[in-house]
Amino acid sequence: DGGITQSPKYLFRKEGQNVTLSCEQNLNHDAMYWYRQDPGQGLRLIYYSQIVNDFQKGDIAEGYSVSREKKESFPLTVTSAQKNPTAFYLCASNTGTGGMVRERQPQHFGDGTRLSIL
Amino acid sequence: AQSVTQLGSHVSVSEGALVLLRCNYSSSVPPYLFWYVQYPNQGLQLLLKYTSAATLVKGINGFEAEFKKSETSFHLTKPSAHMSDAAEYFCAVSGGDTGRRALTFGSGTRLQVQP
Repeated sequence: DGGITQSPKYLFRKEGQNVTLSCEQNLNHDAMYWYRQDPGQGLRLIYYSQIVNDFQKGDIAEGYSVSREKKESFPLTVTSAQKNPTAFYLCASNTGTGGMVRERQPQHFGDGTRLSIL
Repeated sequence: AQSVTQLGSHVSVSEGALVLLRCNYSSSVPPYLFWYVQYPNQGLQLLLKYTSAATLVKGINGFEAEFKKSETSFHLTKPSAHMSDAAEYFCAVSGGDTGRRALTFGSGTRLQVQP
């Protein structure tokens, strides 16, 4: 079955450490997204990528970095510059054959990675 | 900026009662609207979507929502709650007057179903 796989499910970060969250999809979707979820705040957009080798900052990109070297993969690195990284991180993807069409397409979500500070 | 407001962070209903979860958006141009459900420690699952076709949208698990442009609302309803409906529900928008391709989410409503 097609879907989005996020790993690991739980991750712990030490002070000053960078950690990378994995997101892989086999849906053949062009666009991929990273969201951060905090209690009572809904989901907030960190980064998104519309196509391979291209990505844009979302609403809360500071302290995070991404890469998009393959269509299937969109890893997120939480750097030491992110001072409050404890959250639930969700990866999503959708398709669309053009900029105006993509907004109509629902996003498919992975099961998330919960990041905590040691 | 485009925004989504979900009134009521917690809603409690009895099993068999009507479920009503409220969502209002702000956009001068009707956006695309979505309702997602999230069970504990899981990702989001699409319930239904409005993409400028019929204003009354039917989704999975007996849920439906009505797009009302005059009220800038997209409230989610279900005639009879089931215990399995207990979860967190998110309203989200894309497009609209910002042309935003990514989703903007409301803060969520946690639904409790009492036996």
